[in-house]
Amino acid sequence: DAGVIQSPRHEVTEMGQEVTLRCKPISGHNSLFWYRQTMMRGLELLIYFNNNVPIDDSGMPEDRFSAKMPNASFSTLKIQPSEPRDSAVYFCASSLALVNNSPLHFGNGTRLTVT
Amino acid sequence: AQSVTQPDIHITVSEGASLELRCNYSYGATPYLFWYVQSPGQGLQLLLKYFSGDTLVQGIKGFEAEFKRSQSSFNLRKPSVHWSDAAEYFCAVGGTGANNLFFGTGTRLTVIP
Repeated sequence: DAGVIQSPRHEVTEMGQEVTLRCKPISGHNSLFWYRQTMMRGLELLIYFNNNVPIDDSGMPEDRFSAKMPNASFSTLKIQPSEPRDSAVYFCASSLALVNNSPLHFGNGTRLTVT
Repeated sequence: AQSVTQPDIHITVSEGASLELRCNYSYGATPYLFWYVQSPGQGLQLLLKYFSGDTLVQGIKGFEAEFKRSQSSFNLRKPSVHWSDAAEYFCAVGGTGANNLFFGTGTRLTVIP
């Protein structure tokens, strides 16, 4: 299994630009999660999907952030417009099901730098 | 409220020495506990998990952890550390679903020759 695949690995952009992060979950996994990791706040859950449906987006910091999951094998996290404080590592994770005995499998992350 | 405390931000051990990383949690019901490891530039990888049963759980890479309800702890141990164990370690507590997983702030492990 290829694991959770995220792209790009690194993204450098200027303030005000649109940023799109991509994620391909493990095949057969029904739940997908977007996390943000910073030194100050650690790992934060932004949003998660179950069977392609967004369940809880209360972790999304602002309206500038949006996420979609058009099908079971693809999700995007978009920031528009981006700001320097959005600089972080963004992780996508998937799990077989939305139950406690189904651990998360993380991608290698996208390191976003907004200048 | 759920919370996870990893009191040690950074630990340095010599290769071959034993290791214990501390994790304390606060949770209103029976917790589901996890340890993840993150190598530089990588995502988090599951080391082990505790749901129920034997309070001493074995994981990958020679790690183990012990659930102690009376102390609200789930410390991670390894009898002999290898240089490749240098990484960041995260303890996490969850409840009814993977969406309720709360992570600690992590402990960075440095291994010296």
